[in-house]
Amino acid sequence: QVQLVESGGRVVKPGRSLRLSCTASGFSFRDYGMHWLRQAPGKGLEWVAVIALDGTNDFYADSVKGRFTISRDNSNNTLYLQMDVLRAEDTAIYYCAKGPTIPDHWGPGTLVTVSS
Amino acid sequence: EIVMTQSPATLSASLGGRVTLSCRASQSVSNNLAWFQQKPGQAPRLLFYGASTRVTGIPLRFSGSGAGTEFTLTISSLQSEDFAVYYCQQYHKWPPITFGQGTRLEIK
Repeated sequence: QVQLVESGGRVVKPGRSLRLSCTASGFSFRDYGMHWLRQAPGKGLEWVAVIALDGTNDFYADSVKGRFTISRDNSNNTLYLQMDVLRAEDTAIYYCAKGPTIPDHWGPGTLVTVSS
Repeated sequence: EIVMTQSPATLSASLGGRVTLSCRASQSVSNNLAWFQQKPGQAPRLLFYGASTRVTGIPLRFSGSGAGTEFTLTISSLQSEDFAVYYCQQYHKWPPITFGQGTRLEIK
């Protein structure tokens, strides 16, 4: 069965960087586009970024464009989210999800807290 | 960007009852709409795609309908495990994928 496990979330100061990872198993990772989504505490769901199956194309929400970078390593079944110039409003649980269009399987999430 | 609006924000219902949750798109999304269920402390779970295609394992008491800009999720014979937050999501014109703000279904 599809399994996604995020890691890397922690408390970080504003302006700093953080890289999240998502390890995939139970499906052919290299055959699917992948998403990052997030959920601020007590709030709704927000799509963050998507990457094509071969990593050649990526797209971002306006709220993170220019600060976040999505990437993938198909040889290690791993998805990444590089987050730079973090802001307090980036505080959220970050989920990776299998695509390519509908996020049909989600990991349990990893919490990122941006606070001084 | 297509804006998704869900109503009501909170819905109270009794065990065994029937509820209808609404989702409206700011422009037509054809039938490119998904529904998710999220329980406290858990990741969202996909219930429907294509507005009305039930994901394997989702009980028959859940049904989805609609097309264009108006969609509904109906749950009949409510069970305790159905009380959760429900989100609609369009994938007709993306990026960005956009979600509604959610409907919280609580026990009356």
